[in-house]
Amino acid sequence: SQQGEEDPQALSIQEGENATMNCSYKTSINNLQWYRQNSGRGLVHLILIRSNEREKHSGRLRVTLDTSKKSSSLLITASRAADTASYFCATDGNQGGKLIFGQGTELSVKP
Amino acid sequence: NAGVTQTPKFRVLKTGQSMTLLCAQDMNHEYMYWYRQDPGMGLRLIHYSVGEGTTAKGEVPDGYNVSRLKKQNFLLGLESAAPSQTSVYFCASSPRQGALNVLTFGAGSRLTVL
Repeated sequence: SQQGEEDPQALSIQEGENATMNCSYKTSINNLQWYRQNSGRGLVHLILIRSNEREKHSGRLRVTLDTSKKSSSLLITASRAADTASYFCATDGNQGGKLIFGQGTELSVKP
Repeated sequence: NAGVTQTPKFRVLKTGQSMTLLCAQDMNHEYMYWYRQDPGMGLRLIHYSVGEGTTAKGEVPDGYNVSRLKKQNFLLGLESAAPSQTSVYFCASSPRQGALNVLTFGAGSRLTVL
C-alpha cells in the first residue's frame, strides 16, 4: 500500500490565488519531499523537509510538516497558469532507501 | 548533462511478448528505481537498486525482472507481457547522500500491451 495520500485529488483555482495541497502518511519518516509533474513529463523535485523541521520555504512554495499528525502541506502562493501540474508527496522512512509516492493532487490554475 | 535517459519512449507489445526497458544515468548516482504510473494510482515502485550488482523488490514487483550490471544502467524486463502491464514507466536515480534521497526522473516510457 502507498505511504502517502494527497488531498484533494484535484484542485482548480484562478491565477493569483493560493493553492494548498495536503499529504498524510502512515509510518515514521526521515524526510518528506514534494515533486511536480507536468502533463506527459517526468517528475521534478521541488522541496525536501526533514523530520526535525516544521516549515520550509522556496520561492513561492511553503511546506509544513507535522510529524505528530503524520501530515504535510504544500502551499503555492500567487499561483500562475504555469503552475498547472500534478503534485506528489513522497516519503523516505524506515524503508531501506525506498521513496514511496502518494497518488498526487492535480492542480489547474486558470488565467 | 543528459541526466536520466529512458529508452524506448513508446512501445506496443502483444500479450506474451517480452521486452526490456533501459535506463541510463550520467550523474554517478548510487540508487536507481523503476516506477509505474497508472491513472488514479500515482507512482508505484516496482524494483530498485542501492548499488551496482544489487536489486530489491518494491511494491509491485510481480511480472518484472531487473538487472544492474553497471552502475549507470538499470534494466527493467518483462518476460511475458500482460495487458495489466500497460502503463507509463519511469526510471529515477538518486545520490543517496545520507537521508537526502532526492530523485532525478527520466521522461518516461509508455508501454501498451494488446
